Amino acid sequence: GENVEQHPSTLSVQEGDSAVIKCTYSDSASNYFPWYKQELGKGPQLIIDIRSNVGEKKDQRIAVTLNKTAKHFSLHITETQPEDSAVYFCAASRGKLTFGTGTRLQVTL
Amino acid sequence: NAGVTQTPKFRILKIGQSMTLQCTQDMNHNYMYWYRQDPGMGLKLIYYSVGAGITDKGEVPNGYNVSRSTTEDFPLRLELAAPSQTSVYFCASSYSTGSGELFFGEGSRLTVL
Repeated sequence: GENVEQHPSTLSVQEGDSAVIKCTYSDSASNYFPWYKQELGKGPQLIIDIRSNVGEKKDQRIAVTLNKTAKHFSLHITETQPEDSAVYFCAASRGKLTFGTGTRLQVTL
Repeated sequence: NAGVTQTPKFRILKIGQSMTLQCTQDMNHNYMYWYRQDPGMGLKLIYYSVGAGITDKGEVPNGYNVSRSTTEDFPLRLELAAPSQTSVYFCASSYSTGSGELFFGEGSRLTVL
């Protein structure tokens, strides 16, 4: 089955800096790659996704890149703000989602 | 617009007890899922359903059972609770499977002592 690895497990950045979270997947047939944000005490919420026929997608301060050849994809958050502090999960799917182990992002003032 | 509602939010069980985690959604989604979240382990799929009357096992189904008698409800039953089932459980639903947004409930924290 699919295996998704996510790094780093924790990330601390200063407000205004950029944050990058990286994931690799094992199944070359996976074709859908979402990113979820989980705030404390809440369920995960989709923030951005990318499909295998696209290399990059942006939505305001967040962007996702996909390298199908290397089987890795990344989340980029620019101009980080305190409200970006949360746990972020990547996932890969070719039918059912397989989640990464999560990255706890802390944005300090 | 309630979305996905889970009850209870917190529960403490003794070893060997049984209980049901309730999940209901009001978005008329065919697909529903149960995940468990353990520290540093991400989200693991327990069971899922593609529609009323149809359920299937996920990655970690042992010790759990589900049913799907209606589109709205997808309860998760724990029989003979064990300490290994201490976790946070999330119910989710989606319009499509594999390439569509999952809508999660707020979670149910279960402790088995």
